[in-house]
Amino acid sequence: GESVGLHLPTLSVQEGDNSIINCAYSNSASDYFIWYKQESGKGPQFIIDIRSNMDKRQGQRVTVLLNKTVKHLSLQIAATQPGDSAVYFCAENTGNQFYFGTGTSLTVIP
Amino acid sequence: KAGVTQTPRYLIKTRGQQVTLSCSPISGHRSVSWYQQTPGQGLQFLFEYFSETQRNKGNFPGRFSGRQFSNSRSEMNVSTLELGDSALYLCASSLTRGGNEQYFGPGTRLTVT
Repeated sequence: GESVGLHLPTLSVQEGDNSIINCAYSNSASDYFIWYKQESGKGPQFIIDIRSNMDKRQGQRVTVLLNKTVKHLSLQIAATQPGDSAVYFCAENTGNQFYFGTGTSLTVIP
Repeated sequence: KAGVTQTPRYLIKTRGQQVTLSCSPISGHRSVSWYQQTPGQGLQFLFEYFSETQRNKGNFPGRFSGRQFSNSRSEMNVSTLELGDSALYLCASSLTRGGNEQYFGPGTRLTVT
């Protein structure tokens, strides 16, 4: 079966610092990836996506890096704010369905 | 444009009962996928509907079923509820099938007692 895993279940960062959340995926055929943010009591919120023909994509304060050689995905959040505290999921898609990791809980320390 | 809406937001049911959950996708989106989320398990895919047809199904028993209407709204049904069915049920919509941006609703929190 598919396997999308996260290196760290929890991450604490100081407000203003940069955060890096990592994700490993197992299917080399996956060609589309999404990062989601989920706050307590809410559904996952789309943050940024990337296709396999790219290795980097930037959004507002967020950057996603894709390393297909080692099947690794990361989400970088610049100048982390208290509002960034949430669980972050990566998801991979082979064109058929999405597979999700279990999530990394990010806590921002004021 | 309104986001994905799900009703009800909370449900408490007894073992053996059945339940129907509803999802209205973003206007114009034709694909609706359902997921179950439990602590420690992450998001597990239930099924996807597109153009009123189930296109893909996850590894869940037949007690879990769904349908999609011509306006793309979708319902999922769980029959003969078990304690282990307690979870957050999420639906997500996307414009088309396959690898495309997928947006989630707030979920329905189901508790089975």
